[in-house]
Amino acid sequence: GAVVSQHPSWVICKSGTSVKIECRSLDFQATTMFWYRQFPKQSLMLMATSNEGSKATYEQGVEKDKFLINHASLTLSTLTVTSAHPEDSSFYICSALETISTDTQYFGPGTRLTVL
Amino acid sequence: DQQVKQNSPSLSVQEGRISILNCDYTNSMFDYFLWYKKYPAEGPTFLISISSIKDKNEDGRFTVFLNKSAKHLSLHIVPSQPGDSAVYFCAASLYNTDKLIFGTGTRLQVFP
Repeated sequence: GAVVSQHPSWVICKSGTSVKIECRSLDFQATTMFWYRQFPKQSLMLMATSNEGSKATYEQGVEKDKFLINHASLTLSTLTVTSAHPEDSSFYICSALETISTDTQYFGPGTRLTVL
Repeated sequence: DQQVKQNSPSLSVQEGRISILNCDYTNSMFDYFLWYKKYPAEGPTFLISISSIKDKNEDGRFTVFLNKSAKHLSLHIVPSQPGDSAVYFCAASLYNTDKLIFGTGTRLQVFP
């Protein structure tokens, strides 16, 4: 149980284009999901908290107009990187908070974004 | 300002022996701590957690110890197996929030 998927697993795009990443909780409902970013050999950094049916809460320094988050259902959150630039190239990981039995965040497999 | 620190970037342990991974934190408002295991290009996998009201939690080969006065926690893996080789992250959660603050990770290598 407690499986989280992400799609796509990797994406290469041109500078200036937008990229959408999906995060799904497959066997549980999650009112809260989180988006992280990890640069090579660095820690996971929380970007934003995604709440079903309401606006996301962004961490300091994260541009909400650049990283659009939508949490339209209890099993799906999306992150759209708008007007991507090479410095946005990173490993993006989502997590979903399971609250019924474990109260633990379960992570997706991550999405490798490369912006040319 | 790194609130959760793992000062050892790497650790090498022989199979069968104990692996001890350490983590220090600075914020006394953290009340829940977790350990995750991560392989390259994959998401973290939850291992074990501990609430600040406890000082020890055990699950199979994994034991987490919490020393609140020292703001220190450690993960013990015994006996260590080659399949345990991965990067281990500790994470802390602030009181009354679900946000996780991650440490910098420790790469564990278990050799035969």
